[in-house]
Amino acid sequence: AQTVTQSQPEMSVQEAETVTLSCTYDTSESNYYLFWYKQPPSRQMILVIRQEAYKQQNATENRFSVNFQKAAKSFSLKISDSQLGDTAMYFCAFIIYQTGANNLFFGTGTRLTVIP
Amino acid sequence: DVKVTQSSRYLVKRTGEKVFLECVQDMDHENMFWYRQDPGLGLRLIYFSYDVKMKEKGDIPEGYSVSREKKERFSLILESASTNQTSMYLCASSPWDSVFYGYTFGSGTRLTVV
Repeated sequence: AQTVTQSQPEMSVQEAETVTLSCTYDTSESNYYLFWYKQPPSRQMILVIRQEAYKQQNATENRFSVNFQKAAKSFSLKISDSQLGDTAMYFCAFIIYQTGANNLFFGTGTRLTVIP
Repeated sequence: DVKVTQSSRYLVKRTGEKVFLECVQDMDHENMFWYRQDPGLGLRLIYFSYDVKMKEKGDIPEGYSVSREKKERFSLILESASTNQTSMYLCASSPWDSVFYGYTFGSGTRLTVV
């Protein structure tokens, strides 16, 4: 079975500080992709960052970076220089690599609040 | 930009009504998905479709059906709405061979069944 666990239902961070959101997953597959999605109050799910499981180098997108530990099946998201616009629900997800319809497996989400 | 449009942002329906949630995407994606989002449960897959007239059950298909008569449109149907189907419903689409890019989501329909 494929599962994703986000153990922090809610977090808060002061503006301009750094915060790390944790995620662990479980799969017996070896080829997969990992994602962090952001869902602001507008409800539009936005892709924040993605990581190929076969790549050891951690992905980075501006202020967002991940710490990917394949052996530990851990995929945490670090947000640097937090901004008010980062306030949102954050979902960790992964997808098994195969052609055709592919199911994204989601965690339960972490609600992040950036405090001015 | 790829757009996934859900026809209603909010819906209120009565128990026992037949409910249609519509989703349209404009980028010729083969795959389309319906998820249900509930607090503390994350997103759970209801149904998906990888081609016109094709459908596959997800993790929680009970009480739902789907229709995909055209490539760009994927409808979720609640045959007889019940209060436990009060939820946020998210539609998504993806290309056939681009798993790396994840999905593109609509803005969701918040359904309340009274």
